[in-house]
Amino acid sequence: EAGVTQFPSHSVIEKGQTVTLRCDPISGHDNLYWYRRVMGKEIKFLLHFVKESKQDESGMPNNRFLAERTGGTYSTLKVQPAELEDSGVYFCASSEGEAVNTGELFFGEGSRLTVL
Amino acid sequence: EDQVTQSPEALRLQEGESSSLNCSYTVSGLRGLFWYRQDPGKGPEFLFTLYSAGEEKEKERLKATLTKKESFLHITAPKPEDSATYLCAVPLQTNSGYALNFGKGTSLLVTP
Repeated sequence: EAGVTQFPSHSVIEKGQTVTLRCDPISGHDNLYWYRRVMGKEIKFLLHFVKESKQDESGMPNNRFLAERTGGTYSTLKVQPAELEDSGVYFCASSEGEAVNTGELFFGEGSRLTVL
Repeated sequence: EDQVTQSPEALRLQEGESSSLNCSYTVSGLRGLFWYRQDPGKGPEFLFTLYSAGEEKEKERLKATLTKKESFLHITAPKPEDSATYLCAVPLQTNSGYALNFGKGTSLLVTP
């Protein structure tokens, strides 16, 4: 069974440019999460989809970040325009039920974003 | 303020040298505490869920325990392949529900 896949694995962009990260969750997982780890900090929650709906986007830092989940399948996270402080590793995770109840999240390997 | 603190930040053990990692939390109304393992360049991998004080879970050389203020991940006779970063997380309330709040992790290195 395929795990959570993320693309690209690493992206290097200039400040002010746009980057789109993609996540393909495990097939059948309705719950999809985005997290971010900035250098030296803990992994932080960004948002949670249930199917195609945003269940909780309270962790999104600002309106430069836009997440979508087309048809309840894959998800994209767009950063436009990127700033230096956006650098970090962006993790996508999926789960069958709500992960906050069981902790059983399946993470992708992450997309490392470097903004110069 | 609700938070999760892990200690030590880094730990180096000789193969076979048992030790414990700590995760302390200040959360009112704990809904669960979760442990993950993260290898370099990978995402976290779920290990355990603990719900109530006194609960214990085991998997190979790892045993997780929970009290009212903290959780311990005990590693018995570790092997080099146990080297990884170990993360704990608890659900914290957001404006719209609950989300996992992670500690910074403990980086464990087990040498032969």
